[in-house]
Amino acid sequence: GAGVSQSPSNKVTEKGKDVELRCDPISGHTALYWYRQSLGQGLEFLIYFQGNSAPDKSGLPSDRFSAERTGGSVSTLTIQRTQQEDSAVYLCASSLQLADKTQYFGPGTRLLVL
Amino acid sequence: QQQVKQSPQSLIVQKGGISIINCAYENTAFDYFPWYQQFPGKGPALLIAIRPDVSEKKEGRFTISFNKSAKQFSLHIMDSQPGDSATYFCAASSFTGTASKLTFGTGTRLQVTL
Repeated sequence: GAGVSQSPSNKVTEKGKDVELRCDPISGHTALYWYRQSLGQGLEFLIYFQGNSAPDKSGLPSDRFSAERTGGSVSTLTIQRTQQEDSAVYLCASSLQLADKTQYFGPGTRLLVL
Repeated sequence: QQQVKQSPQSLIVQKGGISIINCAYENTAFDYFPWYQQFPGKGPALLIAIRPDVSEKKEGRFTISFNKSAKQFSLHIMDSQPGDSATYFCAASSFTGTASKLTFGTGTRLQVTL
């Protein structure tokens, strides 16, 4: 595709529900990153993938967060038993490869947990 | 621990003026310093970047000044325009051996007035 796409663009959920956020990276990009952007804060690194593998999961805030990537393309970030503090914009980025320092960001998914 | 400190938090500049945003870092392993521009409802987009072996980089109206000894770098926007009104993030990248990881500042909201 022309750029990184994310869906849904907005998600409102109730506390305790599970949510799935989807990221479609730029075609051919092997590296994929997830970030969280809270109101008034910078971007917080969550996890990255090289292919389908996630070597470093240390940025995930809790065990309620998980992510997977299939076919070296689409990635899904899952938040189980959502809490109000999970409300944020979740951004996905991709780069040609992990050593590539230029990351291209999607528009984000705005998650609101009521 | 905030590894990249950004200031100011917000900035108002008149059209035609110079906008200056400053960042400071702590980790000497950082080897790439990009600036991202983010418009409301959009993901961050790479604006300009510099490597530590260069003291200045200019692209059009945007200039990065880099002071390696002081561990500081700044973005200058010359002849600021209302269309430049956005949030700007500085970032720093380090290669961990498996991936290039970006650490972001907390952002500066720039408003350019007529």
